Amino acid sequence: AQSVTQLDSQVPVFEEAPVELRCNYSSSVSVYLFWYVQYPNQGLQLLLKYLSGSTLVKGINGFEAEFNKSQTSFHLRKPSVHISDTAEYFCAVSVEGAQKLVFGQGTRLTINP
Amino acid sequence: KAGVTQTPRYLIKTRGQQVTLSCSPISGHRSVSWYQQTPGQGLQFLFEYFSETQRNKGNFPGRFSGRQFSNSRSEMNVSTLELGDSALYLCASSKTSGGTDTQYFGPGTRLTVL
Repeated sequence: AQSVTQLDSQVPVFEEAPVELRCNYSSSVSVYLFWYVQYPNQGLQLLLKYLSGSTLVKGINGFEAEFNKSQTSFHLRKPSVHISDTAEYFCAVSVEGAQKLVFGQGTRLTINP
Repeated sequence: KAGVTQTPRYLIKTRGQQVTLSCSPISGHRSVSWYQQTPGQGLQFLFEYFSETQRNKGNFPGRFSGRQFSNSRSEMNVSTLELGDSALYLCASSKTSGGTDTQYFGPGTRLTVL
C-alpha cells in the first residue's frame, strides 16, 4: 500500500517570498507523483506531475517540484508567491495500472501582504 | 472543451435516506473516479470505472456503489445515509486507466446529512 505525508498542515508566508511545501511518500513499488491545488469551493487542479525522467518538474503558475527517490520526497517550491496562490495544496501518488490517487492531508498556504 | 460536471452541486438529506450523484466526464475520457473529501479523513478514493467496468475500489462499505454508462457518464449511490457521510464528493475523469494519466476534477457535490 502507498501513503503520503505532508509535513506541514499550514504554511504562512509573505507575498513575494519563496515557499516550499513538503511531501514524503511510502511505497513498496514505484510510484507516480502529483501535486494538486484546491481553491475555495472548487475541485482540484493539477499543478505538476512526475512520471519518469528528469527529477525536476516544472508546472503551472511558476511552481516546480523535485523528486528525490532516496529520501522518498517530492517537495513543491515557488520562488515568489502571490496573494492568488492562497489555497490548499495536495500531494498524491499513484501506481502503474491503477487510476487511483492516494492523497496527503493537504497543506493550507496563506499569503500575507 | 467543457470540463467535468457534477450534479447536483449541493444536497441535503436525512439519515436513512439514499442519494445519487452524477458525473459527466470530459469528452473522450473513458475513466471516471470518485473521491470523498472530509475535514477529518481528507481525500479518500471510492472507486474507478473504465469502459463501464469497476477497475478499482477503495475501502468503503457496500452502501457506497457506482456505475458507468456507455457514454462514460457515471453515477454514485449511497444508501442508508449516516451523519458521517456528510462530505464533498469529487469526480475525476481521465482518458485512460493506467495510473499515469492526469485526472481532471469536477467542482464536487457537497452532501449534508442531517
